[in-house]
Amino acid sequence: AQSVTQPDIHITVSEGASLELRCNYSYGATPYLFWYVQSPGQGLQLLLKYFSGDTLVQGIKGFEAEFKRSQSSFNLRKPSVHWSDAAEYFCAVTSGTYKYIFGTGTRLKVLA
Amino acid sequence: ETGVTQSPTHLIKTRGQQVTLRCSSQSGHNTVSWYQQALGQGPQFIFQYYREEENGRGNFPPRFSGLQFPNYSSELNVNALELDDSALYLCASSPAQGKNEKLFFGSGTQLSVL
Repeated sequence: AQSVTQPDIHITVSEGASLELRCNYSYGATPYLFWYVQSPGQGLQLLLKYFSGDTLVQGIKGFEAEFKRSQSSFNLRKPSVHWSDAAEYFCAVTSGTYKYIFGTGTRLKVLA
Repeated sequence: ETGVTQSPTHLIKTRGQQVTLRCSSQSGHNTVSWYQQALGQGPQFIFQYYREEENGRGNFPPRFSGLQFPNYSSELNVNALELDDSALYLCASSPAQGKNEKLFFGSGTQLSVL
């Protein structure tokens, strides 16, 4: 069955520190992968997506993610975190047609 | 960028009642999906509508039903509400049915069932 695992429920980093949020997926075919961010009381905003090609993808707000097929991972990274990055982050996978499968999310706290 | 609007923003119902949630898709988008996000969980796919037809459905009982209108706006109806239906309900639209489309999410309707 298709699934997405985000092993870290909460992560706390200091402002200016680097960040890596983990995402592992289970999928039989070539997945289409996404990272979304959700601020309190808001819907989800797309940070970046991977469909094919270069395995390192750049997104908005200085985020990037790397697709590693051998590890079934799609980790999100940012070299220097800003206080405004505090939010919940969701990894998602789709086969392509209509159904997106989301992970349970990682809540990021940023210390000043 | 979102352009997807949902109403109401908050709703309180009692067990056994029925509820209708509404979604206006972003201009030019003909596909609408509904997701349920329980507290502390990721969104779970309920169903998708494409050109007024249900195009796919997740693991939700038949008391969850929907409609899409000619202007591509959509409704989610839930009958016989249960306590576990308490959640944030998210609507998402996309320009066309297909694998390469990203979802544009609304801010959601927070439903509380007492």
